[in-house]
Amino acid sequence: AQSVTQPDIHITVSEGASLELRCNYSYGATPYLFWYVQSPGQGLQLLLKYFSGDTLVQGIKGFEAEFKRSQSSFNLRKPSVHWSDAAEYFCAVGTEYGNKLVFGAGTILRVKS
Amino acid sequence: GAGVSQSPRYKVAKRGQDVALRCDPISGHVSLFWYQQALGQGPEFLTYFQNEAQLDKSGLPSDRFFAERPEGSVSTLKIQRTQQEDSAVYLCASSLASEQYFGPGTRLTVT
Repeated sequence: AQSVTQPDIHITVSEGASLELRCNYSYGATPYLFWYVQSPGQGLQLLLKYFSGDTLVQGIKGFEAEFKRSQSSFNLRKPSVHWSDAAEYFCAVGTEYGNKLVFGAGTILRVKS
Repeated sequence: GAGVSQSPRYKVAKRGQDVALRCDPISGHVSLFWYQQALGQGPEFLTYFQNEAQLDKSGLPSDRFFAERPEGSVSTLKIQRTQQEDSAVYLCASSLASEQYFGPGTRLTVT
């Protein structure tokens, strides 16, 4: 069965610093990969997705992620973090187009000024 | 346009009560998903509809959980004889293709 691991429960970065959130997945075939952000009391908002093609994908709010098949990873990055980026971030894997998602446990991002 | 809406946003139930949670998907979205998010965890899949057909209910934790989408639009998740372990946020998502759009969730607290 597929699974997603987000090794970092909490991460704190200074405003303006770069960010990398880690995500490792377990799935035998080519996965569909997603990053979502959840602010308190809000639903999940899609940041970006990878289905195929270019392994570096760009998303909203200045985020990008790189798919590395050899490492089974899909890490999220942002070159300069803003205070408004403080939220919880979830990596998810889908096994078929349009099918259910399996989520990681999430990483809570704190931004200090 | 309007996004996915869920009601109620908050629900407190005494153990043993039945509850019904409603999801209004984005108009025209064929697929509808329910997820359960326990405190400090990521969402976990419960069930999936394509139009009115429930194609996957493998994530429903027990036979106390029941979902329906009779006209292929609004969906209701019903939990019978609620237990404390049912306390969680219940998220609904709808999609037309690959991207799932999530509602704000219903926070269920069972006392």
